[in-house]
Amino acid sequence: GEDVEQSLFLSVREGDSSVINCTYTDSSSTYLYWYKQEPGAGLQLLTYIFSNMDMKQDQRLTVLLNKKDKHLSLRIADTQTGDSAIYFCAEKNSGYALNFGKGTSLLVTP
Amino acid sequence: NAGVTQTPKFQVLKTGQSMTLQCAQDMNHNSMYWYRQDPGMGLRLIYYSASEGTTDKGEVPNGYNVSRLNKREFSLRLESAAPSQTSVYFCASSDLRDQPQHFGDGTRLSIL
Repeated sequence: GEDVEQSLFLSVREGDSSVINCTYTDSSSTYLYWYKQEPGAGLQLLTYIFSNMDMKQDQRLTVLLNKKDKHLSLRIADTQTGDSAIYFCAEKNSGYALNFGKGTSLLVTP
Repeated sequence: NAGVTQTPKFQVLKTGQSMTLQCAQDMNHNSMYWYRQDPGMGLRLIYYSASEGTTDKGEVPNGYNVSRLNKREFSLRLESAAPSQTSVYFCASSDLRDQPQHFGDGTRLSIL
């Protein structure tokens, strides 16, 4: 499938904002998703955005979508140690499958 | 609210053994999916079932079979396990094709 690219690692201090970036290549993507995976656990849906939207805010989470550049970002405000996890970007095209990036490991230090 | 339940959580097999991974969802979702997660690879779709009575191949179907037993249950079978199938397997479900997929906690499978 088309590639979804994410940086592999991000480290931030507790209380700062985190920004996780993602680029995708399939221009027919209809939805884009952010999932969180804690160690030994499954994937938890954090938020998602429809491709005709530019921004979506949900409490501490802000998703920005630049469809022209095929760039998606997830901003976590006031990052806490409990936010340490792997974050996956995924795109959904006209089919059934989600196309996942390899994940960004977020480490929040006190 | 259980969501998506996978059994077993862990399993060790010998090469050539067979095994069925079970998945059940209690959200009355129409579509169900099996993914595998390998280090540095993200998740890759093995098979999916768009609705009860239908199944289709995903990106990496070789070595696997699936059964959509009813609307709730979708099983994944390894007929003759190989070390390359050592992975974490995730089942997911969604109400419709464009609705978010909800994941189970995974089955960690090692094949020696």
